[in-house]
Amino acid sequence: QSVLTQPPSASGTPGQRVTISCSGSSSNIGSNYVYWYQQLPGTAPKLLIYRNNQRPSGVPDRFSGSKSGTSASLAISGLRSEDEADYYCAAWDDSLSGQEVFGGGTKLTVL
Amino acid sequence: EVQLVQSGAEVKKPGESLKISCKGSGYSFTSYWIGWVRQMPGKGLEWMGIIYPGDSDTRYSPSFQGQVTISADKSISTAYLQWSSLKASDTAMYYCARRDSAGAPFDYWGQGTLVTVSS
Repeated sequence: QSVLTQPPSASGTPGQRVTISCSGSSSNIGSNYVYWYQQLPGTAPKLLIYRNNQRPSGVPDRFSGSKSGTSASLAISGLRSEDEADYYCAAWDDSLSGQEVFGGGTKLTVL
Repeated sequence: EVQLVQSGAEVKKPGESLKISCKGSGYSFTSYWIGWVRQMPGKGLEWMGIIYPGDSDTRYSPSFQGQVTISADKSISTAYLQWSSLKASDTAMYYCARRDSAGAPFDYWGQGTLVTVSS
């Protein structure tokens, strides 16, 4: 059971906007930055969003992140077939001597 | 170009020891943390621990404390993850990744090392 809670699956058609939620607590999302990683099939994860809503160089602006209280969300607009992947949220957790915690992951299917 | 290159896939028997590696290049290895992340077959990501090669400061997830050892040799820009006695449940893909501070994100990842433990 993951510390951060994500829906196991999400789907959308090309061009649509989809959002993926991530719920945590005051010791993680509530007091630290949220990150999002994208894992394409058979590859290593890739940083998609950092500091709640910042995109690393090279990440399209179709991807956006937001945070409110102890929850966060990732939005993907103009959905494309190549966006089909697993998406993980993550945050540092101040409990248990400090460690990063991940969400269980959301498998995004582009219909 | 920043690169993290991990050692190749391993097939081991239960009870055997193992040490896998992650070699960094294209940046100052001693100025960034290296972390290890486990992904069991068909499952999500699990944070195992991190090490700062500059001074070998190491932090473990409580779930992995005592189960694995994380180390680094800054003279060859390489971090390690090792087991003294493998179990079948250690079968997984293991990724190393870099971050610039303990609370920052992993910005570069290795390609992964698949460890299979089977009798």
